[in-house]
Amino acid sequence: ETGVTQSPTHLIKTRGQQVTLRCSSQSGHNTVSWYQQALGQGPQFIFQYYREEENGRGNFPPRFSGLQFPNYSSELNVNALELDDSALYLCASNPQIHNEQFFGPGTRLTVL
Amino acid sequence: GESVGLHLPTLSVQEGDNSIINCAYSNSASDYFIWYKQESGKGPQFIIDIRSNMDKRQGQRVTVLLNKTVKHLSLQIAATQPGDSAVYFCADLTGNQFYFGTGTSLTVIP
Repeated sequence: ETGVTQSPTHLIKTRGQQVTLRCSSQSGHNTVSWYQQALGQGPQFIFQYYREEENGRGNFPPRFSGLQFPNYSSELNVNALELDDSALYLCASNPQIHNEQFFGPGTRLTVL
Repeated sequence: GESVGLHLPTLSVQEGDNSIINCAYSNSASDYFIWYKQESGKGPQFIIDIRSNMDKRQGQRVTVLLNKTVKHLSLQIAATQPGDSAVYFCADLTGNQFYFGTGTSLTVIP
């Protein structure tokens, strides 16, 4: 069984640019959540997708957007990057809402 | 608002000793809790979970205790090993959102 995978592993962007991060959920998992983890902090919930629909959103501005595809993979898009967007972006999947989430290794985004 | 916090940011233990990591939560409506382990450069790894209708759950070398009266959660690791060195997070589920604490860094001294 393949676990949660994310790409790319590292990314460097400049302020104002746009970025797309990708996540492949674990086989059989139809729910994907995205988190932002700043250095030395716990993960902060960005949003969740369930069967291709957004199913909850944390306290993040609209320039953070996402998609979920029919195969349950997902994208996180961030527009107009700011320096404070530098963080580890984590994707987690679970087989249905409210079950334990399994995390991918994350994408380290650096905004210069 | 929701708040999940840990009592100690760092913990050092001797190899072979037992470790106890504590966590407080503020939302009495939280009904599901998870402990995660995060090693440097990796995503959080699921350790053990517990639902609010339980007060104790045991896994392999780990035990989670839930005290709903004082809204406190703890993770006990038996016979701590060097490979247990990591940051440990508790997370609670309110609605469909998981809220994470800031983490406790566990260092195992050989």
